[in-house]
Amino acid sequence: GAGVSQSPSNKVTEKGKDVELRCDPISGHTALYWYRQRLGQGLEFLIYFQGNSAPDKSGLPSDRFSAERTGESVSTLTIQRTQQEDSAVYLCASSLAWSSYNEQFFGPGTRLTVL
Amino acid sequence: AQTVTQSQPEMSVQEAETVTLSCTYDTSESDYYLFWYKQPPSRQMILVIRQEAYKQQNATENRFSVNFQKAAKSFSLKISDSQLGDAAMYFCAYRSSSGGSNYKLTFGKGTLLTVNP
Repeated sequence: GAGVSQSPSNKVTEKGKDVELRCDPISGHTALYWYRQRLGQGLEFLIYFQGNSAPDKSGLPSDRFSAERTGESVSTLTIQRTQQEDSAVYLCASSLAWSSYNEQFFGPGTRLTVL
Repeated sequence: AQTVTQSQPEMSVQEAETVTLSCTYDTSESDYYLFWYKQPPSRQMILVIRQEAYKQQNATENRFSVNFQKAAKSFSLKISDSQLGDAAMYFCAYRSSSGGSNYKLTFGKGTLLTVNP
């Protein structure tokens, strides 16, 4: 595809339910990143993948959050037992490789609302 | 840990005028990258300009330029000849160029820019 895509665009869920957010990176990009953007805030780093492995998961807010990546392509961010504080825009980015020189290209994000 | 501060939550400018957005950062590293990203209502983060810390020359991209003051840890964005399409949230970001955390961007809280016709 031409750019990073994310689905769904918007997700409304009830407190306590599980949600899955999907990210399709740019073809050939080996590095993939998840960020969270709370209302009125900048982006917070959550996790990144180099290939299918996640060397750094320290940004995940709690053990209710998990992510996986398969085939060095699609990634899924799962939030279990959602809480109202999880409401945010979740942005995915990909880059050719993980080194700092390579630009991160962002998707349009998924807006998650937990009622 | 690195931090990025944007002290102007909102700014406004008249069309065709010039506006400067401020950003300061804190780091103990000597080599890093700084970025300005634009986020329109579509939520898509768009890279506006990048500066390598080892370069003394300020980066320029068409109507966008930066004033990089390494000693002061300041990195401001100047938008010349402002256009209605420049209206967006602007984020300053930092990225290490080496070491264990050079894969992630650290963002400020953003400045909402309004362009008045």
